[in-house]
Amino acid sequence: DTEVTQTPKHLVMGMTNKKSLKCEQHMGHRAMYWYKQKAKKPPELMFVYSYEKLSINESVPSRFSPECPNSSLLNLHLHALQPEDSALYLCASSQEGGRGQVGYGYTFGSGTRLTVV
Amino acid sequence: QQQVKQSPQSLIVQKGGISIINCAYENTAFDYFPWYQQFPGKGPALLIAIRPDVSEKKEGRFTISFNKSAKQFSLHIMDSQPGDSATYFCAARVTDSWGKLQFGAGTQVVVTP
Repeated sequence: DTEVTQTPKHLVMGMTNKKSLKCEQHMGHRAMYWYKQKAKKPPELMFVYSYEKLSINESVPSRFSPECPNSSLLNLHLHALQPEDSALYLCASSQEGGRGQVGYGYTFGSGTRLTVV
Repeated sequence: QQQVKQSPQSLIVQKGGISIINCAYENTAFDYFPWYQQFPGKGPALLIAIRPDVSEKKEGRFTISFNKSAKQFSLHIMDSQPGDSATYFCAARVTDSWGKLQFGAGTQVVVTP
């Protein structure tokens, strides 16, 4: 299994809703990532989890709350989002072991297309 | 602050031709340089990658050339096919950062029949 699976594929939510995005990988990768991608732009890193611990938070607003329940799962909890948060949210994983170790097999999921209304 | 600059923004090439995309970086704290291919509605897919101690890497029709002293690297797509029509992103892995990738702005490639 060489995939990163993201659910749902599409999500429409109101500004007062609470929703969660889910990501799963079974490649034994120990680093997992959330990226945000706006139309015709490159992906931008939001969070990095390494060995189930939050290693990087790129100053993301608190209305985005990541969670890593175990080494295979990564969630992104959404609350009180704004219309400008509409984007493609990408999950990725890699063999990155930690600082100083060059990672390989950096794999992206197909993303969740989020629309905030 | 864009640390990885990619050009051109878009590219049209005839079937069988060569597509060339260039990237330049400013930060020397990069240690791995992957290229990604992205189709509409899909996530980026790793195409080919190179480490800075290698000057060239070839996989099938795709070749990366890397010039460490000039801080530049490029992707060559030989014998371009209509199925290669996609957006291509160069990226650079930030050293000691748990795999954080800095992406270029992307190049939309259209291969005409």
